[in-house]
Amino acid sequence: GAVVSQHPSWVICKSGTSVKIECRSLDFQATTMFWYRQFPKQSLMLMATSNEGSKATYEQGVEKDKFLINHASLTLSTLTVTSAHPEDSSFYICSARGPITDTQYFGPGTRLTVL
Amino acid sequence: QKEVEQNSGPLSVPEGAIASLNCTYSDRGSQSFFWYRQYSGKSPELIMFIYSNGDKEDGRFTAQLNKASQYVSLLIRDSQPSDSATYLCAVRYGGSQGNLIFGKGTKLSVKP
Repeated sequence: GAVVSQHPSWVICKSGTSVKIECRSLDFQATTMFWYRQFPKQSLMLMATSNEGSKATYEQGVEKDKFLINHASLTLSTLTVTSAHPEDSSFYICSARGPITDTQYFGPGTRLTVL
Repeated sequence: QKEVEQNSGPLSVPEGAIASLNCTYSDRGSQSFFWYRQYSGKSPELIMFIYSNGDKEDGRFTAQLNKASQYVSLLIRDSQPSDSATYLCAVRYGGSQGNLIFGKGTKLSVKP
């Protein structure tokens, strides 16, 4: 149990375009979802926390207008990187937590390359 | 400042040995502690969680928690080359719905 999927697993796009990444909890209802970013050989960086039906809470230094997060249902959250630039190239990972557990489960990640 | 500290390593152990990974945290009120394993280029996967002082065993893995010393460790018995990965310690702050704070991870290398 506790499976989290992400789509796509990798994406290459041109500078200036927008990219949407989906995160789904497959076998549980995720009341809270988290979005992380990880640059090569660096640690996980929490970008934002989203609760179903409410606005995401962004970490300091993360531009909410650039990284749009929507958590419209208990099984789906999306991260849209708007007007992507090469410096946005990174490994984006979501994780999800159910309502009665404090354990977080991670999706497989999405590798974004902006040319 | 909420902090989770880990030695970045690399920690190198021979195959079959016990690998010992350590983590300290700053908030005495923390109640939940997690160990994740992350292979290069992959996302973290949960290995174990521990809430109570003492040891918790799951197969070759043992998590140890000492709240008085604010210290949590992970022991891997009979280490295998496939255990080579970065191990992330995570501590939940702010109650059962608080966020996880991750350490920077310890890179483990198990030599055949």
